[in-house]
Amino acid sequence: GALVYQYPRRTICKSGTSMRMECQAVGFQATSVAWYRQSPQKTFELIALSTVNSAIKYEQNFTQEKFPISHPNLSFSSMTVLNAYLEDRGLYLCGARGGASSGNTLYFGEGSRLIVV
Amino acid sequence: QQNVQQSPESLIVPEGARTSLNCTFSDSASQYFWWYRQHSGKAPKALMSIFSNGEKEEGRFTIHLNKASLHFSLHIRDSQPSDSALYLCAVSLGAGNKLTFGIGTRVLVRP
Repeated sequence: GALVYQYPRRTICKSGTSMRMECQAVGFQATSVAWYRQSPQKTFELIALSTVNSAIKYEQNFTQEKFPISHPNLSFSSMTVLNAYLEDRGLYLCGARGGASSGNTLYFGEGSRLIVV
Repeated sequence: QQNVQQSPESLIVPEGARTSLNCTFSDSASQYFWWYRQHSGKAPKALMSIFSNGEKEEGRFTIHLNKASLHFSLHIRDSQPSDSALYLCAVSLGAGNKLTFGIGTRVLVRP
């Protein structure tokens, strides 16, 4: 079956430092990867959508300068939170989609929780 | 900008009862409608999806979609304690398009 692994599960970082998180798709080819942030205040915010052979599209309020994303192949993606501050706290979820062959279902990992102190 | 709203925010139901969750969306061009379920500390998992107006049933779960009303819902019959979770609805404009989620409805099924 389709599985998505995220690493690390949890990070505590000092204010102003950066955190890199990884996402691995197993059992299918991740033709697109979406990064979301889940926080108690603001639901499930889409940060950016990365689709093979297309530029990474960032949502309003999120930028490549702050959340650089790499999607080098069909099984892996990474995202970094640069200069993390309190407002960047939350659970960062990677959702990977394999295309029509997998029903266009978005499969999520269990997330990387960012705690900023 | 797609706006997806869910109601209620939270729900407590007795075991065996019917649970009903609502989702409204703002973009009438939306084509794909999903319900995801997220147990505490776990990954959100796709529960059901619907692409055309009407009703779709899978086991104890039923989705209703009314595109004209910009509304869809999830109904769980014979609710079980294992159904306790955060239920998220999501909408997209097309198969490969971004999925916009609601804030979720937290369901607690009491034995």
